[in-house]
Amino acid sequence: EAGVAQSPRYKIIEKRQSVAFWCNPISGHATLYWYQQILGQGPKLLIQFQNNGVVDDSQLPKDRFSAERLKGVDSTLKIQPAKLEDSAVYLCASSLGVGASYNEQFFGPGTRLTVL
Amino acid sequence: QKEVEQDPGPLSVPEGAIVSLNCTYSNSAFQYFMWYRQYSRKGPELLMYTYSSGNKEDGRFTAQVDKSSKYISLFIRDSQPSDSATYLCAMSGGQGAQKLVFGQGTRLTINP
Repeated sequence: EAGVAQSPRYKIIEKRQSVAFWCNPISGHATLYWYQQILGQGPKLLIQFQNNGVVDDSQLPKDRFSAERLKGVDSTLKIQPAKLEDSAVYLCASSLGVGASYNEQFFGPGTRLTVL
Repeated sequence: QKEVEQDPGPLSVPEGAIVSLNCTYSNSAFQYFMWYRQYSRKGPELLMYTYSSGNKEDGRFTAQVDKSSKYISLFIRDSQPSDSATYLCAMSGGQGAQKLVFGQGTRLTINP
């Protein structure tokens, strides 16, 4: 079974530039998550999709971050304009996501963003 | 105060030692407790999960949850160099049941 795919793996940009990350979840997984992991910290949830609808985006800095999941499959996360503090690893995860009980989340390898 | 507290370490032990990792939390609504392992430049992978209080064993790994104390632990027996990684505790439950709240992670090194 193929895992969660993410691209690019690494990205270096200058502050105030824009950047986009792509995620393809495990086939059949209804729920998709984007996490931000700053060096030395645990992942922090940015946004959660159930199919193509947003379930939780309470920690997404909406003035600069946006995300979409067209057709309920793959997803893109965009930052515009980037700030120095956005330097982090952006992790995508997916789960079967049906109901309120526990569903294992499977993580992709992440995209490491460096903002100069 | 963070919802989940975890000592970041680093922790360095000799091969074969018993390793104890732990987290404390403040949100009594958490019902699911997980331990993830993250190798350098990789995404986290689920090691174990426990529902509510109690113990769970899987090979060399044992997870314990004490909801009354809001304290969870992961024990690694007969530790191996391949266990060297960052260990993240994570929790979910209550409203937003699928949302994971992670600890900071403990960086563990097993020395041959």
